[in-house]
Amino acid sequence: AQKITQTQPGMFVQEKEAVTLDCTYDTSDPSYGLFWYKQPSSGEMIFLIYQGSYDQQNATEGRYSLNFQKARKSANLVISASQLGNSAMYFCAMSPNFGNEKLTFGTGTRLTIIP
Amino acid sequence: KAGVTQTPRYLIKTRGQQVTLSCSPISGHRSVSWYQQTPGQGLQFLFEYFSETQRNKGNFPGRFSGRQFSNSRSEMNVSTLELGDSALYLCASKTSGEPTDTQYFGPGTRLTVL
Repeated sequence: AQKITQTQPGMFVQEKEAVTLDCTYDTSDPSYGLFWYKQPSSGEMIFLIYQGSYDQQNATEGRYSLNFQKARKSANLVISASQLGNSAMYFCAMSPNFGNEKLTFGTGTRLTIIP
Repeated sequence: KAGVTQTPRYLIKTRGQQVTLSCSPISGHRSVSWYQQTPGQGLQFLFEYFSETQRNKGNFPGRFSGRQFSNSRSEMNVSTLELGDSALYLCASKTSGEPTDTQYFGPGTRLTVL
């Protein structure tokens, strides 16, 4: 079974600062995919970034990067130069076999950007 | 290009009733997945359909069922509703069965069971 742990229920960050959202995972599968999603108050889940378990380099998508430390089983999301629009719930998720399917989600972190 | 649409957006039912939720994927997408989001259990995978066939299934009782039509639209049905079924039900679609295709989520249907 796969498990995702997000230990930060909420975070407050000053605008323009960088922020790191923590995510650790547990799985016995040798191949897996790691994802971050953003959920604004509207409820829709927005895909942010993906990392495959065999990817050597950390994934980046604009101001989002995923700090993947396989030995520590962590997949932290880093948002550089945060903006007010980054305020939302953030979920870490994983799937078996690299696939973006049958996702197991963490409990989420509510990020609030302060002007 | 229109996104994933879910209808209805809000629904109120009473215990013992059944409910059907609908999801229209992005045009050209053939895979549809359903997730349940509750404050207590968080986000949980229900099932995935691809080309009218259920491909993956989560750990939910048989009261939860789904289907997919030839136009890729999907419905999920919950029979004999319980209070604990109150949740946001999210639908997600992706282009094909390729595992690394990006999933796009809809805005969800919020079901309240009284």
